[in-house]
Amino acid sequence: DIQMTQSPSTLSASVGDRVTITCRASQSINDWLAWYQQKPGKAPNLLIYKASTLESGVPPRFSGSGSGTEFTLTISSLQPDDFATYYCQHYNSYPGTFGQGTKVEIK
Amino acid sequence: EVQLVQSGAEVKKPGESLKISCKGSGYSFSNYWIGWVRQTPGRGLEWMGIIYPGDSDTRYSPSFQGQVTISADSSISSAYLQWSSLKASDTAMYYCARRLGSSGYIEHWGQGTPVIVSS
Repeated sequence: DIQMTQSPSTLSASVGDRVTITCRASQSINDWLAWYQQKPGKAPNLLIYKASTLESGVPPRFSGSGSGTEFTLTISSLQPDDFATYYCQHYNSYPGTFGQGTKVEIK
Repeated sequence: EVQLVQSGAEVKKPGESLKISCKGSGYSFSNYWIGWVRQTPGRGLEWMGIIYPGDSDTRYSPSFQGQVTISADSSISSAYLQWSSLKASDTAMYYCARRLGSSGYIEHWGQGTPVIVSS
């Protein structure tokens, strides 16, 4: 199975900060990577697919990059609504494993 | 609007059976893969398995093969996840999820069904 490792596990930031989350795959997944946002008590929500394609309706302050084994999710200017946990997931092959999550909390 | 609406919270005892459901609306239910994701504090998000309601083609993740059964009824646009004998370790939040293809990203999620298994 392909393992997905996110860093950091927790990130403390302020409104307006630029935030970057990294996701590493144990082997190449090309660009078959998605990012999800999950708020407490809610289901995850798709932000980005194919490493860098923004899902419809997602604010443009979110962006994704990378290919192969290293990927990043960037929030250009953190907003109050963005404090949440973020997960990457590869879908290079079935079943597609998730990273362990990165919690973005208020500094 | 695509919606996946799951059945309510369950509290069960070890050894009991359980079947939870997920009803799709706003799209052609038979033509999209739908599956189940388990979330626990210790293991995070885990993909359990997936079914194509159109022909009932079902695939399980290795960790869940033989532990659960996934089914679907296209006539009522519903998918199911069932256990024959629950364990305490099945305590988790379970999400149904519509996936783009059998191994694509997850486009839509249900609201989640919490399952507590305790004696």
